[in-house]
Amino acid sequence: GNSVTQMEGPVTLSEEAFLTINCTYTATGYPSLFWYVQYPGEGLQLLLKATKADDKGSNKGFEATYRKETTSFHLEKGSVQVSDSAVYFCALLSNFGNEKLTFGTGTRLTIIP
Amino acid sequence: DTGVSQDPRHKITKRGQNVTFRCDPISEHNRLYWYRQTLGQGPEFLTYFQNEAQLEKSRLLSDRFSAERPKGSFSTLEIQRTEQGDSAMYLCASSLVGDTGAYEQYFGPGTRLTVT
Repeated sequence: GNSVTQMEGPVTLSEEAFLTINCTYTATGYPSLFWYVQYPGEGLQLLLKATKADDKGSNKGFEATYRKETTSFHLEKGSVQVSDSAVYFCALLSNFGNEKLTFGTGTRLTIIP
Repeated sequence: DTGVSQDPRHKITKRGQNVTFRCDPISEHNRLYWYRQTLGQGPEFLTYFQNEAQLEKSRLLSDRFSAERPKGSFSTLEIQRTEQGDSAMYLCASSLVGDTGAYEQYFGPGTRLTVT
C-alpha cells in the first residue's frame, strides 16, 4: 500500500537558518505529492504541491522537488522565520482511483529568535 | 469563497453517548472527505463522498460510525456509543474533481472530540 515516511522531529532552528525536512514515499504509479502545514490550534493548510516527476512546488519561500528516482519530496526553505513554527505534513494522493491522502506522521518545527 | 467549515469546534462527551459533527465544504466542490487525527500523528482517512454517494470507507470506520451527505452539500459524521479511543481531531476536507482527475484537498479547522 501507499506510505509516507517523514523526518522525525521535533526540529529546532534559529531564525534565518536553512531548513530541510525529509520526506520519502512508497506508492503505485505516479502519485501527486503535497506539503501541508498546521499552525497551533488550526486546521491543515496546503503549502505546496507537485503532480509529476521533476516538478517543483513552491510557496512562501518553501520549495520541494518531486524526485521519482529517489521517491522523495524534501521540503526546503533558505531562511526560516519565527512565524514558520508549525507542524509540517508530507502527503501523497494516488492516481489509481484511490482518492484519499496518505500522510506522514508530521514534523514539528520550532524557530527561535 | 468561505472555505471549509466544521461545527462544533470542540466537543466533550461522556463514554457511551452519541455525537454528531457537521462539515460544510467549499460550495463548488463535489468531493468531501473525513479524516481522523490523533495526537502526534498525521490524519488518517475515514471516508469520502462524491456528491451524495459514499464511495469508500476505511477499516477504521467501525459500525459505530456513520456518515451522510444527503443533498451533496454538507455532511454529518455520527459516532454512536462513544469510547475513549474515539478521542481525536476529526477533519473534513473538500476538493473539486473533474475530467482530468482529482485536485488538492482543502481542510476545515476540525472538531476536537474528547470522550471522558
